[in-house]
Amino acid sequence: QSALTQPRSVSGSPGQSVTISCAGTSSDVGQYKYVSWYQFLPGKAPRLSIYDVNKRPSGVPDRFSGSKSGNTASLHISGLQTEDEADYYCSSYAGGFNWVFGGGTKLTVL
Amino acid sequence: EVQLVESGGAAVQPGGSLRLSCVASGFNFGDYNMHWVRQLPGKGLEWLSVISRDGSSTFSADSVKGRFTISRDNSKHSLYLVMNTVRSEDTAFYYCVRDNTDWSFDYWGRGTLVTVSS
Repeated sequence: QSALTQPRSVSGSPGQSVTISCAGTSSDVGQYKYVSWYQFLPGKAPRLSIYDVNKRPSGVPDRFSGSKSGNTASLHISGLQTEDEADYYCSSYAGGFNWVFGGGTKLTVL
Repeated sequence: EVQLVESGGAAVQPGGSLRLSCVASGFNFGDYNMHWVRQLPGKGLEWLSVISRDGSSTFSADSVKGRFTISRDNSKHSLYLVMNTVRSEDTAFYYCVRDNTDWSFDYWGRGTLVTVSS
């Protein structure tokens, strides 16, 4: 059982928007601004999509955004494209040099 | 271009040992803390260990503390994970990951597969 809870799957049509939630606790997501999201594509190195809750690394489209409310963080993807189809994982710093991850969400672009 | 290339994954019997390696290129390796993260079959990701820039400090998850040891050789741009007394639940893809200095992981390798089975 992963420390952070994500939906197993979400889906959307091209051009639509989706949101992936990441539920933690007051000891991780709720306490720190250090929530990040990762995109996993088969055969490729995982890619950082969002860090510090809502910051985008260079090269990540501005269709990707992040937010946090209480103990739950969210990844928002607008204007879905077929290349966004991937597994997405959230992570949070949990204090004491410890990090926790979610179980992953499979995004299907219909 | 930042690259992290893991190696050393193999099939090993329960109770056995293994050493994973990761060679870094495209950045000044000694300027970054480094991590190992694993992806368990169908069960998500698990953070394992972190090592400071100069190798003087390490921290590990409770699940591997005392069994796995992280180390680095900055002169060889290399990160290591020695896995002792492995268990079936250690079967996973193991990733070498660079620390973003913002408590996130900005570059990952493609992973190396460790299978623990008798």
